[in-house]
Amino acid sequence: GESVGLHLPTLSVQEGDNSIINCAYSNSASDYFIWYKQESGKGPQFIIDIRSNMDKRQGQRVTVLLNKTVKHLSLQIAATQPGDSAVYFCAEIPRTGANNLFFGTGTRLTVIP
Amino acid sequence: EPEVTQTPSHQVTQMGQEVILRCVPISNHLYFYWYRQILGQKVEFLVSFYNNEISEKSEIFDDQFSVERPDGSNFTLKIRSTKLEDSAMYFCASRGQGGGSPLHFGNGTRLTVT
Repeated sequence: GESVGLHLPTLSVQEGDNSIINCAYSNSASDYFIWYKQESGKGPQFIIDIRSNMDKRQGQRVTVLLNKTVKHLSLQIAATQPGDSAVYFCAEIPRTGANNLFFGTGTRLTVIP
Repeated sequence: EPEVTQTPSHQVTQMGQEVILRCVPISNHLYFYWYRQILGQKVEFLVSFYNNEISEKSEIFDDQFSVERPDGSNFTLKIRSTKLEDSAMYFCASRGQGGGSPLHFGNGTRLTVT
Protein backbone atom coordinates (compact mmCIF):
# COMPACT_ATOMS: atom_id res chain seq x y z
CA GLY A 1 0.00 0.00 0.00
CA GLU A 2 0.92 3.63 -0.06
CA SER A 3 3.40 5.00 2.38
CA VAL A 4 4.32 8.40 1.05
CA GLY A 5 3.38 11.54 2.85
CA LEU A 6 4.27 13.88 5.69
CA HIS A 7 4.45 16.97 3.44
CA LEU A 8 4.05 20.47 4.70
CA PRO A 9 0.80 21.63 3.17
CA THR A 10 2.05 25.04 1.96
CA LEU A 11 5.33 26.79 1.21
CA SER A 12 5.84 30.42 0.22
CA VAL A 13 9.10 31.72 -1.24
CA GLN A 14 10.32 34.93 -2.79
CA GLU A 15 10.95 34.94 -6.49
CA GLY A 16 14.60 34.16 -7.12
CA ASP A 17 15.09 32.24 -3.89
CA ASN A 18 15.63 28.50 -3.77
CA SER A 19 12.78 26.23 -2.72
CA ILE A 20 13.02 22.96 -0.86
CA ILE A 21 10.03 20.64 -0.72
CA ASN A 22 10.27 17.62 1.51
CA CYS A 23 8.66 14.21 1.56
CA ALA A 24 8.99 11.22 3.86
CA TYR A 25 8.22 7.63 3.09
CA SER A 26 7.96 4.59 5.32
CA ASN A 27 8.47 1.63 2.99
CA SER A 28 12.15 0.72 2.92
CA ALA A 29 11.48 -1.51 -0.10
CA SER A 30 10.39 1.43 -2.23
CA ASP A 31 12.40 1.37 -5.37
CA TYR A 32 11.59 4.39 -7.46
CA PHE A 33 10.46 7.91 -6.63
CA ILE A 34 9.05 10.65 -8.79
CA TRP A 35 8.27 14.30 -8.23
CA TYR A 36 5.24 15.70 -10.00
CA LYS A 37 4.01 19.27 -10.40
CA GLN A 38 0.30 19.92 -10.66
CA GLU A 39 -1.01 23.26 -11.81
CA SER A 40 -4.61 24.23 -11.32
CA GLY A 41 -6.93 22.32 -13.64
CA LYS A 42 -4.18 20.13 -15.06
CA GLY A 43 -2.85 16.66 -14.56
CA PRO A 44 0.36 15.85 -12.68
CA GLN A 45 3.37 16.77 -14.74
CA PHE A 46 6.59 14.78 -14.42
CA ILE A 47 9.51 16.79 -13.06
CA ILE A 48 12.27 14.40 -12.07
CA ASP A 49 12.73 10.86 -10.82
CA ILE A 50 15.28 8.91 -8.84
CA ARG A 51 15.90 5.25 -8.24
CA SER A 52 16.71 3.87 -4.83
CA ASN A 53 20.32 3.12 -5.82
CA MET A 54 21.02 6.85 -6.19
CA ASP A 55 21.34 9.66 -3.65
CA LYS A 56 21.01 12.66 -5.92
CA ARG A 57 19.83 13.52 -9.37
CA GLN A 58 19.85 16.88 -11.12
CA GLY A 59 17.73 18.34 -13.84
CA GLN A 60 17.23 21.78 -15.18
CA ARG A 61 16.91 24.01 -12.05
CA VAL A 62 15.74 21.00 -10.03
CA THR A 63 17.56 18.52 -7.84
CA VAL A 64 16.14 15.51 -6.06
CA LEU A 65 17.89 14.14 -2.98
CA LEU A 66 17.16 10.74 -1.54
CA ASN A 67 18.20 9.78 1.98
CA LYS A 68 17.39 6.12 2.41
CA THR A 69 18.66 6.04 5.98
CA VAL A 70 15.89 8.33 7.20
CA LYS A 71 13.52 7.57 4.32
CA HIS A 72 13.41 11.15 3.16
CA LEU A 73 13.11 12.70 -0.27
CA SER A 74 13.46 16.35 -1.19
CA LEU A 75 12.99 18.49 -4.27
CA GLN A 76 15.11 21.57 -4.61
CA ILE A 77 14.14 24.26 -7.10
CA ALA A 78 16.81 26.84 -7.86
CA ALA A 79 15.93 30.47 -8.54
CA THR A 80 12.22 29.93 -8.08
CA GLN A 81 10.01 31.66 -10.62
CA PRO A 82 6.30 32.60 -10.55
CA GLY A 83 5.63 29.78 -13.02
CA ASP A 84 6.82 27.32 -10.38
CA SER A 85 3.73 28.05 -8.27
CA ALA A 86 1.82 24.76 -8.12
CA VAL A 87 1.19 21.74 -5.94
CA TYR A 88 4.12 19.35 -5.81
CA PHE A 89 3.64 15.67 -5.12
CA CYS A 90 6.17 13.01 -4.40
CA ALA A 91 5.16 9.57 -5.53
CA GLU A 92 6.66 6.14 -5.17
CA ILE A 93 6.56 2.74 -6.71
CA PRO A 94 6.57 0.66 -3.55
CA ARG A 95 8.68 -2.27 -4.65
CA THR A 96 10.73 -3.58 -7.52
CA GLY A 97 8.51 -4.99 -10.23
CA ALA A 98 5.41 -3.12 -9.10
CA ASN A 99 3.68 -0.99 -11.68
CA ASN A 100 1.63 1.35 -9.59
CA LEU A 101 2.45 4.76 -8.32
CA PHE A 102 1.26 6.04 -4.96
CA PHE A 103 1.08 9.74 -4.25
CA GLY A 104 1.64 11.76 -1.14
CA THR A 105 -0.68 14.57 -0.09
CA GLY A 106 1.24 17.35 -1.84
CA THR A 107 2.80 20.71 -0.98
CA ARG A 108 1.41 23.94 -2.42
CA LEU A 109 4.28 26.20 -3.46
CA THR A 110 3.48 29.90 -3.80
CA VAL A 111 6.10 32.17 -5.34
CA ILE A 112 5.89 35.78 -4.20
CA PRO A 113 6.97 38.23 -6.94
CA GLU B 1 6.26 15.90 -27.22
CA PRO B 2 3.65 13.11 -27.20
CA GLU B 3 0.99 13.40 -24.55
CA VAL B 4 -1.93 11.58 -23.00
CA THR B 5 -5.25 13.04 -24.08
CA GLN B 6 -8.55 12.71 -22.27
CA THR B 7 -12.11 13.44 -23.28
CA PRO B 8 -14.37 15.01 -22.28
CA SER B 9 -12.71 17.64 -20.12
CA HIS B 10 -15.88 17.96 -18.06
CA GLN B 11 -18.78 15.53 -17.70
CA VAL B 12 -21.94 16.21 -15.77
CA THR B 13 -24.25 13.30 -15.07
CA GLN B 14 -27.15 12.40 -12.85
CA MET B 15 -26.78 9.92 -10.03
CA GLY B 16 -27.39 6.38 -11.24
CA GLN B 17 -26.36 7.07 -14.82
CA GLU B 18 -23.50 5.37 -16.61
CA VAL B 19 -20.50 7.36 -17.77
CA ILE B 20 -17.55 6.48 -19.96
CA LEU B 21 -14.35 8.46 -19.67
CA ARG B 22 -12.00 8.23 -22.59
CA CYS B 23 -8.25 8.36 -22.89
CA VAL B 24 -5.72 8.09 -25.66
CA PRO B 25 -2.41 7.05 -24.08
CA ILE B 26 0.98 7.79 -25.62
CA SER B 27 1.25 5.56 -28.65
CA ASN B 28 4.21 3.33 -27.78
CA HIS B 29 3.30 2.94 -24.11
CA LEU B 30 2.32 -0.42 -22.70
CA TYR B 31 1.01 0.28 -19.20
CA PHE B 32 -2.17 2.22 -18.65
CA TYR B 33 -3.70 3.63 -15.49
CA TRP B 34 -6.66 5.45 -14.07
CA TYR B 35 -6.35 7.68 -11.03
CA ARG B 36 -8.83 10.00 -9.41
CA GLN B 37 -8.50 13.15 -7.35
CA ILE B 38 -11.31 14.43 -5.19
CA LEU B 39 -11.19 18.21 -4.94
CA GLY B 40 -8.36 19.35 -2.68
CA GLN B 41 -7.12 15.84 -1.98
CA LYS B 42 -4.31 13.67 -3.23
CA VAL B 43 -4.23 11.63 -6.38
CA GLU B 44 -5.54 8.10 -5.70
CA PHE B 45 -4.77 4.97 -7.67
CA LEU B 46 -7.74 3.15 -9.20
CA VAL B 47 -6.47 0.56 -11.65
CA SER B 48 -3.56 -0.47 -13.82
CA PHE B 49 -3.84 -2.31 -17.13
CA TYR B 50 -1.24 -4.23 -19.09
CA ASN B 51 -1.37 -6.76 -21.88
CA ASN B 52 -5.12 -6.37 -22.23
CA GLU B 53 -5.97 -7.14 -18.66
CA ILE B 54 -6.14 -5.50 -15.27
CA SER B 55 -2.85 -5.97 -13.46
CA GLU B 56 -3.81 -4.33 -10.20
CA LYS B 57 -6.75 -2.43 -8.73
CA SER B 58 -7.44 -0.55 -5.54
CA GLU B 59 -10.36 -1.01 -3.17
CA ILE B 60 -11.94 2.07 -4.73
CA PHE B 61 -12.25 0.16 -8.00
CA ASP B 62 -15.32 -1.87 -7.13
CA ASP B 63 -17.85 -3.65 -9.35
CA GLN B 64 -19.24 -0.34 -10.55
CA PHE B 65 -16.00 0.36 -12.40
CA SER B 66 -14.60 -1.28 -15.49
CA VAL B 67 -11.86 -0.55 -17.97
CA GLU B 68 -11.45 -1.46 -21.58
CA ARG B 69 -9.01 -1.02 -24.41
CA PRO B 70 -11.44 -1.36 -27.30
CA ASP B 71 -8.88 -0.74 -30.02
CA GLY B 72 -5.18 0.00 -30.38
CA SER B 73 -5.40 3.58 -29.22
CA ASN B 74 -8.21 4.15 -26.71
CA PHE B 75 -8.43 3.27 -23.04
CA THR B 76 -11.75 3.80 -21.28
CA LEU B 77 -13.07 3.90 -17.74
CA LYS B 78 -16.75 3.09 -17.27
CA ILE B 79 -18.73 3.81 -14.13
CA ARG B 80 -21.95 1.83 -14.34
CA SER B 81 -24.18 3.62 -11.86
CA THR B 82 -22.66 6.85 -10.67
CA LYS B 83 -22.91 8.04 -7.09
CA LEU B 84 -22.50 11.53 -5.71
CA GLU B 85 -19.16 10.52 -4.19
CA ASP B 86 -17.82 9.62 -7.63
CA SER B 87 -17.51 13.35 -8.34
CA ALA B 88 -13.81 13.95 -8.86
CA MET B 89 -11.10 14.56 -11.44
CA TYR B 90 -10.22 11.35 -13.23
CA PHE B 91 -6.72 11.11 -14.66
CA CYS B 92 -5.50 8.63 -17.21
CA ALA B 93 -1.79 7.83 -17.31
CA SER B 94 0.51 5.66 -19.35
CA ARG B 95 4.11 4.58 -19.31
CA GLY B 96 6.51 2.68 -21.44
CA GLN B 97 8.34 -0.55 -20.80
CA GLY B 98 10.60 -0.84 -17.83
CA GLY B 99 10.30 -0.37 -14.13
CA GLY B 100 12.15 2.92 -14.11
CA SER B 101 9.94 4.90 -16.43
CA PRO B 102 7.61 7.57 -15.09
CA LEU B 103 3.86 7.73 -15.61
CA HIS B 104 2.68 10.46 -17.95
CA PHE B 105 -0.71 11.92 -17.10
CA GLY B 106 -3.46 13.50 -19.11
CA ASN B 107 -5.18 16.69 -17.99
CA GLY B 108 -8.12 14.79 -16.62
CA THR B 109 -11.88 14.66 -16.87
CA ARG B 110 -13.84 16.50 -14.24
CA LEU B 111 -16.83 14.33 -13.39
CA THR B 112 -19.72 15.99 -11.60
CA VAL B 113 -22.52 13.76 -10.36
CA THR B 114 -25.71 15.58 -9.42
